[in-house]
Amino acid sequence: GQNIDQPTEMTATEGAIVQINCTYQTSGFNGLFWYQQHAGEAPTFLSYNVLDGLEEKGRFSSFLSRSKGYSYLLLKELQMKDSASYLCAAFTGGGNKLTFGTGTQLKVEL
Amino acid sequence: NAGVTQTPKFQVLKTGQSMTLQCAQDMNHEYMSWYRQDPGMGLRLIHYSVGAGITDQGEVPNGYNVSRSTTEDFPLRLLSAAPSQTSVYFCASSPGQGDYTFGSGTRLTVV
Repeated sequence: GQNIDQPTEMTATEGAIVQINCTYQTSGFNGLFWYQQHAGEAPTFLSYNVLDGLEEKGRFSSFLSRSKGYSYLLLKELQMKDSASYLCAAFTGGGNKLTFGTGTQLKVEL
Repeated sequence: NAGVTQTPKFQVLKTGQSMTLQCAQDMNHEYMSWYRQDPGMGLRLIHYSVGAGITDQGEVPNGYNVSRSTTEDFPLRLLSAAPSQTSVYFCASSPGQGDYTFGSGTRLTVV
């Protein structure tokens, strides 16, 4: 079966750093995706990790440990526009499928 | 380049009615998927396709049918709408390796 866990809600301050964790148990795991979804909109791609380690893209970084079934998304220099839901998704190669967690609702406050 | 286009954006159905949610992509992607998103449940896979003429069931396929006669189109059919199918439906396409582009969604209410 597939099981992906992430916190339901987080709150952080503008300008700060926040880390959103994701743990997964999936069969046929090939990689870990992070998507951002603003209220009422479609999910948009943020990052993808295949190998262990850190991937950095501007203010966003994502980390993967395959042996621990663990990933995190790190957001630096938080801005109000970063208030959104962040979705962790496990990629399984069979059928090119993504299995999503329930999402973490991030609120950025002044 | 429109990406993934879903129609309609909003729909209200009566219990027992049938309808088709349209999805089209112009990126020549082989892979397409349908998800539903409910509060507290995340995105759940309904059906997916790995190419024209090939479809398979996802996590929550009951009450839905799909077909993939062309690379571009992947319609989702609700056979007999039920209130439990009230949800936001997203279509997505990918060239492979899990990199999906999502449509803007269809917000469906069944009364």
